[in-house]
Amino acid sequence: EAAVTQSPRSKVAVTGGKVTLSCHQTNNHDYMYWYRQDTGHGLRLIHYSYVADSTEKGDIPDGYKASRPSQENFSLILELASLSQTAVYFCASSAPPGAETLYFGSGTRLTVL
Amino acid sequence: QQKVQQSPESLSVPEGGMASLNCTSSDRNFQYFWWYRQHSGEGPKALMSIFSDGDKKEGRFTAHLNKASLHVSLHIRDSQPSDSALYFCAASVGTGGYKVVFGSGTRLLVSP
Repeated sequence: EAAVTQSPRSKVAVTGGKVTLSCHQTNNHDYMYWYRQDTGHGLRLIHYSYVADSTEKGDIPDGYKASRPSQENFSLILELASLSQTAVYFCASSAPPGAETLYFGSGTRLTVL
Repeated sequence: QQKVQQSPESLSVPEGGMASLNCTSSDRNFQYFWWYRQHSGEGPKALMSIFSDGDKKEGRFTAHLNKASLHVSLHIRDSQPSDSALYFCAASVGTGGYKVVFGSGTRLLVSP
């Protein structure tokens, strides 16, 4: 079965600090995604990537950067963390374009104080 | 306004009962639909996909799609406590995972 691993599982950060969330997949999938989950909003796409060294903006990219150094790894970076970025973050991967299923990691719970 | 709306927000059924979850989209261009299930402390996991009008059955789970009415539903027969989770409806206008839009979820509680 597809495997997507996120680290850390939880993190507490201070307002204005830098936060990096990491994701590693062993599915050999081209596409990787970062989603944010908030109560009442479901899952919203922040950034995605379909090839190493390239990233694309999703629906809510403001305040976030992404990095895809290799096919297996995808990071989400909060340069200046804010209170509003407190949420659960999920990484996902999928095979090349088709009516494909998304495979999610277990999530990172980020609390910004 | 969310493009994919789910109802009810929460649902409680007894063990062995039938659970029915609904999803309505506001975009007639949606062609592909999924149901994802998320247990507490875990990431969402795809439960079923449905791309054609009609019913699709997988074990105790049956999905129904009616593109004309922009409605998709999920019915869980013989519900088990392990089915207690957050269920997401997801829709896409075309190929490409980045085009998938998620609803806000229905929380299902199955009581023993």
